[in-house]
Amino acid sequence: SQKIEQNSEALNIQEGKTATLTCNYTNYSPAYLQWYRQDPGRGPVFLLLIRENEKEKRKERLKVTFDTTLKQSLFHITASQPADSATYLCALATSGTYKYIFGTGTRLKVLA
Amino acid sequence: DAGITQSPRHKVTETGTPVTLRCHQTENHRYMYWYRQDPGHGLRLIHYSYGVKDTDKGEVSDGYSVSRSKTEDFLLTLESATSSQTSVYFCAMMDSPNTGELFFGEGSRLTVL
Repeated sequence: SQKIEQNSEALNIQEGKTATLTCNYTNYSPAYLQWYRQDPGRGPVFLLLIRENEKEKRKERLKVTFDTTLKQSLFHITASQPADSATYLCALATSGTYKYIFGTGTRLKVLA
Repeated sequence: DAGITQSPRHKVTETGTPVTLRCHQTENHRYMYWYRQDPGHGLRLIHYSYGVKDTDKGEVSDGYSVSRSKTEDFLLTLESATSSQTSVYFCAMMDSPNTGELFFGEGSRLTVL
């Protein structure tokens, strides 16, 4: 069955360091992969979209990579700040359906 | 804000009663989604819609039905609520797959006693 796994339930890092979150998938051939941020009690907020024919996308301090051979996406936050503390979710959809399926999320805590 | 609202935001009901959650958007977006979020499971897709009267099942559609009679409204109905349907429900909308951005509502917390 299709499965989306995010590397760990929680990740603590020191302020200023780079946070790296992982999204792995099996039995799936996504055409689109997205990353979202979710704060407690709020709905997820879109961060980045990357397509299957793209290797890397950047937006300010954020970088996403997409390796369809490894079936993995990496999400990096450089120069992390306490305000980056949140749960980060990856979501995938196959071409033509736009039926986005989410991973369980990684709770990131940036320590001051 | 993104122009998507959910109602009610909180509801407590009893097992066996019907429940309808409403999602309303003012952006004329084509795609709309209903997810539920539970600890340890993340967001799971219940149903989604790709146009008026066009809907499809998601990962966890059993016990749920949806209707979309106009672009702006997407209704989620629990015909006979069960305790396992206690959850936070999120509605989302998307304009174009090219941008791909899902805009989420603030969520509806449903408790089934």
